[in-house]
Amino acid sequence: GQNIDQPTEMTATEGAIVQINCTYQTSGFNGLFWYQQHAGEAPTFLSYNVLDGLEEKGRFSSFLSRSKGYSYLLLKELQMKDSASYLCAVRDSNYQLIWGAGTKLIIKP
Amino acid sequence: IAGITQAPTSQILAAGRRMTLRCTQDMRHNAMYWYRQDLGLGLRLIHYSNTAGTTGKGEVPDGYSVSRANTDDFPLTLASAVPSQTSVYFCASSESGTGELFFGEGSRLTVL
Repeated sequence: GQNIDQPTEMTATEGAIVQINCTYQTSGFNGLFWYQQHAGEAPTFLSYNVLDGLEEKGRFSSFLSRSKGYSYLLLKELQMKDSASYLCAVRDSNYQLIWGAGTKLIIKP
Repeated sequence: IAGITQAPTSQILAAGRRMTLRCTQDMRHNAMYWYRQDLGLGLRLIHYSNTAGTTGKGEVPDGYSVSRANTDDFPLTLASAVPSQTSVYFCASSESGTGELFFGEGSRLTVL
C-alpha cells in the first residue's frame, strides 16, 4: 500500500528552528509537496521538490532524498503565526496525490 | 471572486437527504478535485476532473457523484447522505493536473 508518515504534533519556541519530517512509500514518485493549513482554513502551498536536495524559500526550506523516501520541512525564526498543521503529499506514478495526516505545530512564546 | 469559491460554508443535514456542494473557480484551471478531510487522516480524494467533460473516481468515491459541464464549475452531490459522510469537504484546482493545488475554503457538513 501507499503510505505517508509524519509526526502528529510538534512543539517549538518562538524564534527557534523546527524540522518536520515526512517519510513515504508510494508506487512511483513524481514530486513531493508541503502545504500549510491553519485551523479552520484551507491548505496553502508552501513548497515542491522533485529532485534531491534543498529548496529554500525565505524562512522555509524543504529537503528531499528520493533514495531514502524522505523529506523534511525546515522552519527558521519561528513566529506565532507559524502555528498550523503542515501537510506532506507525494504525487505517485499515476499523478495522484497521496497525503499524510499532517503535523500540528504549536509555537510557544 | 478570485480563486475557488465553495458553498455552503457549513450545513447540517438529515440522513437520507440529497445534498449538493458547489464549487466554482475563476482561474481557468483544467483540473479540479474534491477531497474530504477527517481528523487524524490525510486528505482523501473523492472525485476528480482533468478537464471539462471528464471525471474520474478517487480513493473514496462511494456515495458521491460529480459533474463537469464547464471549466469553472465542479459540484459534488451526495445522493442520500449518511452519518459517515460528516466531514470537511475541500474543492481544489490546478492548472495542469501536475502542479500545485489551490483550495477553496471548505464546506463543513454534518449528517445526523
